[in-house]
Amino acid sequence: GNSVTQMEGPVTLSEEAFLTINCTYTATGYPSLFWYVQYPGEGLQLLLKATKADDKGSNKGFEATYRKETTSFHLEKGSVQVSDSAVYFCALSDRGGTSYGKLTFGQGTILTVHP
Amino acid sequence: IAGITQAPTSQILAAGRRMTLRCTQDMRHNAMYWYRQDLGLGLRLIHYSNTAGTTGKGEVPDGYSVSRANTDDFPLTLASAVPSQTSVYFCASSVRQGDLGYTFGSGTRLTVV
Repeated sequence: GNSVTQMEGPVTLSEEAFLTINCTYTATGYPSLFWYVQYPGEGLQLLLKATKADDKGSNKGFEATYRKETTSFHLEKGSVQVSDSAVYFCALSDRGGTSYGKLTFGQGTILTVHP
Repeated sequence: IAGITQAPTSQILAAGRRMTLRCTQDMRHNAMYWYRQDLGLGLRLIHYSNTAGTTGKGEVPDGYSVSRANTDDFPLTLASAVPSQTSVYFCASSVRQGDLGYTFGSGTRLTVV
């Protein structure tokens, strides 16, 4: 079956620090990959996505590259802000089989950024 | 504002009671989903519906039921609540099955005591 593994948190950084949150996946097919963000008290919002190998998704200064050879989709940001404090979820959506169209999530990584 | 409305926002429920969590969307999305979020486990799919009139089981369906009588509404029912169903429940939708972008509701925090 499909699965997503994220680096364990919580992650605590100072403002303007470099951020990496690791994500690796296992999929039976050729999935699309996503990062979702959840701000305190809110639902999840799509942050970025990539649909094929070597694609780079980017949004709000965050980037992630679809690496098929290492089955990874690590999230990076060069300079974090206090407003980036949130929970980040890596997810995949398989293109076929019984999991078609359904998102499988990692366990989430809590990020706290201090001034 | 287009989106997903979930109700109630939070609820404390006695074990053994029946409870329906409501989810309504106004985007005319065909596919809808219910997830539960638990610390350290991420989000797990409970039930889904690819189109009105059809439903399917997700990863953790036991103790839950859903219906999809029309495009807009996708209620989740706990027939007899148990403490292990204490969680935050999120409803989501997408334009169609396989669509790459989900829209999520704000969640319902349920505590079963």
